[in-house]
Amino acid sequence: KAGVTQTPRYLIKTRGQQVTLSCSPISGHRSVSWYQQTPGQGLQFLFEYFSETQRNKGNFPGRFSGRQFSNSRSEMNVSTLELGDSALYLCASSFRDRGTEAFFGQGTRLTVV
Amino acid sequence: GESVGLHLPTLSVQEGDNSIINCAYSNSASDYFIWYKQESGKGPQFIIDIRSNMDKRQGQRVTVLLNKTVKHLSLQIAATQPGDSAVYFCAEMNYGGSQGNLIFGKGTKLSVKP
Repeated sequence: KAGVTQTPRYLIKTRGQQVTLSCSPISGHRSVSWYQQTPGQGLQFLFEYFSETQRNKGNFPGRFSGRQFSNSRSEMNVSTLELGDSALYLCASSFRDRGTEAFFGQGTRLTVV
Repeated sequence: GESVGLHLPTLSVQEGDNSIINCAYSNSASDYFIWYKQESGKGPQFIIDIRSNMDKRQGQRVTVLLNKTVKHLSLQIAATQPGDSAVYFCAEMNYGGSQGNLIFGKGTKLSVKP
């Protein structure tokens, strides 16, 4: 059974640009969550989707957005990139949306220059 | 605000010894706790979880202890191996809540000396 797949693995962008990251959950999983990981702040929750609906959103500016497709694949978008957006972006999927083990992908390392 | 914290940012142990990683939580409403392991260049990997109706849960070489009185969680790794070297995160949530309610601690780096 394939794990959570995130693409691309590495990305370098310039300030002001926008970026789209992709996450394919484990087959059969309907819940996808996104996290930002930085050395200073640790793992911070961005948003969560279940059956194409955003169920929860973390404390991030509106430049961060996401969506989920009918096949449960998810994308997140960051517009008007800032240097501080440089981070490892992690996607996690789970079978249900509540109280279940989340499986993480390897992440996308975004560097903003 | 309430958050999950870790007592020690780094822990160095000898191969073969037992490791204990500690975690403090402050949200009394949390009733579900998870330990994750993150190796360099990889995403967090689920190790073990425990619900608040339990004090102890054992897995393969790992044991999680929960002390609700002092809001303390620990992960014990028996016979620590070089492959155990990683950053370990504890996380808390309300079991009835969504994944978005999962709050992670800052992490403890475990280094295993051969």
